Amino acid sequence: AQTVTQSQPEMSVQEAETVTLSCTYDTSESDYYLFWYKQPPSRQMILVIRQEAYKQQNATENRFSVNFQKAAKSFSLKISDSQLGDAAMYFCAPPRGSQGNLIFGKGTKLSVKP
Amino acid sequence: NAGVTQTPKFQVLKTGQSMTLQCAQDMNHEYMSWYRQDPGMGLRLIHYSVGAGITDQGEVPNGYNVSRSTTEDFPLRLLSAAPSQTSVYFCASSYRAGGQETQYFGPGTRLLVL
Repeated sequence: AQTVTQSQPEMSVQEAETVTLSCTYDTSESDYYLFWYKQPPSRQMILVIRQEAYKQQNATENRFSVNFQKAAKSFSLKISDSQLGDAAMYFCAPPRGSQGNLIFGKGTKLSVKP
Repeated sequence: NAGVTQTPKFQVLKTGQSMTLQCAQDMNHEYMSWYRQDPGMGLRLIHYSVGAGITDQGEVPNGYNVSRSTTEDFPLRLLSAAPSQTSVYFCASSYRAGGQETQYFGPGTRLLVL
């Protein structure tokens, strides 16, 4: 069965510092996409970054980057120069089966201290 | 574009009542899905659709019905509400299957079943 584990229920980072959120997953698919979504207190789900599994290069999006280890099924999110607006729940979302759906982790709550 | 819209934003039901949660998107996306979010559980897939006239079950389909008569609309029906269905419900859409493309989420519907 497809599973996803976000082992850090809560994390805290000082403003302007760097933080890494971890995610491990299990899938039998060979070609797939992985996502990190952000959910601020407004509850709106917002895409942070997307990684294509067949690409060896780690995805980056401004201050956000991933460390994707396909063999280890690890997909961590690094946030550089943290800002107060980064405070939110972060969900890792690997593939769920072969039907093109996602499975979401339980999330990591990130706090940013001024 | 309005993106993905959901109505109502908040609803209180009594056990045994039925209701329909509305979801619409104006991006001509083929793939639409419904998730529920419970505290500490992340998002769980209820039902999804890969196009008009095609629906399938997700991870937690019991107690919910869906239909997809048009590309734009994907309503979720609760046939006989139960307290266990108290949750926040999100509708999402994407151009292709949600595991391949960025999913765009609606603002959510908060449902309380007494």
